[in-house]
Amino acid sequence: NAGVTQTPKFRVLKTGQSMTLLCAQDMNHEYMYWYRQDPGMGLRLIHYSVGEGTTAKGEVPDGYNVSRLKKQNFLLGLESAAPSQTSVYFCASTPGQGARETQYFGPGTRLLVL
Amino acid sequence: AQSVTQLGSHVSVSEGALVLLRCNYSSSVPPYLFWYVQYPNQGLQLLLKYTTGATLVKGINGFEAEFKKSETSFHLTKPSAHMSDAAEYFCAVSSNTGGFKTIFGAGTRLFVKA
Repeated sequence: NAGVTQTPKFRVLKTGQSMTLLCAQDMNHEYMYWYRQDPGMGLRLIHYSVGEGTTAKGEVPDGYNVSRLKKQNFLLGLESAAPSQTSVYFCASTPGQGARETQYFGPGTRLLVL
Repeated sequence: AQSVTQLGSHVSVSEGALVLLRCNYSSSVPPYLFWYVQYPNQGLQLLLKYTTGATLVKGINGFEAEFKKSETSFHLTKPSAHMSDAAEYFCAVSSNTGGFKTIFGAGTRLFVKA
């Protein structure tokens, strides 16, 4: 099992450019999450999904969109990148309802917006 | 609302010394508590978690944590630090009434001196 994988590992964007981050998991997990990690702030939830075809907003959703067309994939889109979106982005998944479940994290995507 | 406070953004110990990383939480309902570890350039992985039952929880790599409801704490300890323990550690809280959201602390970076 590869677990949770993320593509790309690193990306540099110019302000106003768009991009899509891909998260894939091979554990047949129902729930998937996108977080951003900023120094001194821990992880903050951007969007999450409780199943194929469903998405919901997290704590910091502005400027991001997501899609879950297939159970194993969860895409995070930036339509018009801003320097404030410079961060490390982590995808995670859980097998069932999230509250007591262990989250399985991908290796992260480092994004720099100039 | 739930929150997590990790006391000390940086902790430095000598190899072989006791490791103590402090975590206090706020929750109006019974919490689920987690410690995750992040090694450089990697995603987070679970060290241990408390859901119900025994308040002293043992995790991987010799770490343990004790849930103390009266002190609203979930401190992480290890009797003897090893160089390989150098990493960033995150405390997190969730609950059945918190939806699918896990609240992460800001993190504590552990340095181990030879």
